[in-house]
Amino acid sequence: DVKVTQSSRYLVKRTGEKVFLECVQDMDHENMFWYRQDPGLGLRLIYFSYDVKMKEKGDIPEGYSVSREKKERFSLILESASTNQTSMYLCASSEVGYGYTFGSGTRLTVV
Amino acid sequence: AQKVTQAQTEISVVEKEDVTLDCVYETRDTTYYLFWYKQPPSGELVFLIRRNSFDEQNEISGRYSWNFQKSTSSFNFTITASQVVDSAVYFCALISHGSSNTGKLIFGQGTTLQVKP
Repeated sequence: DVKVTQSSRYLVKRTGEKVFLECVQDMDHENMFWYRQDPGLGLRLIYFSYDVKMKEKGDIPEGYSVSREKKERFSLILESASTNQTSMYLCASSEVGYGYTFGSGTRLTVV
Repeated sequence: AQKVTQAQTEISVVEKEDVTLDCVYETRDTTYYLFWYKQPPSGELVFLIRRNSFDEQNEISGRYSWNFQKSTSSFNFTITASQVVDSAVYFCALISHGSSNTGKLIFGQGTTLQVKP
């Protein structure tokens, strides 16, 4: 089975800090994605990547950046964390046309 | 544009009742995939089913069944004889393959199902 691992389940950071959320997948998938999940808004796509060193903006990229230096790793970066970035962050990987496999999520609180 | 709508925000049933979760999708593409995911309180999204646009055959898996109707752009999910362990948030999602699409998974807003003992 594909496994997608997110480095932290819970994270508390201060406003203005630079935050790194790490995601690793072990099935050689080309595609990786970062979503955030908020009550009443469902899952919204932040960034995605179809290949190493390649990235594309999703629906809500503002305030975020990403890095994909290796195929198995896709990092989400909050350049200067703000309280409105308090959320559940979900990473996923997939092959084109197939369902995504999600990590367990990181619940980030920015204080 | 592609869109998935789950009009039911929350549903509450008593154990052993049947419950149907509605999903309506929009896409102009002829090739697409529909999915259902379950998110239990632990938070991880669990894949339940994938259906492609050329296969309208309904599917049953144990207590779960799915009704795909292209004529109404719906992909509804029924749980028969619900159990407390079915309590979760359920998401319907769409991947649409067309000239403007890059294979992104588009989610509905989710339906929270509470099954009471």
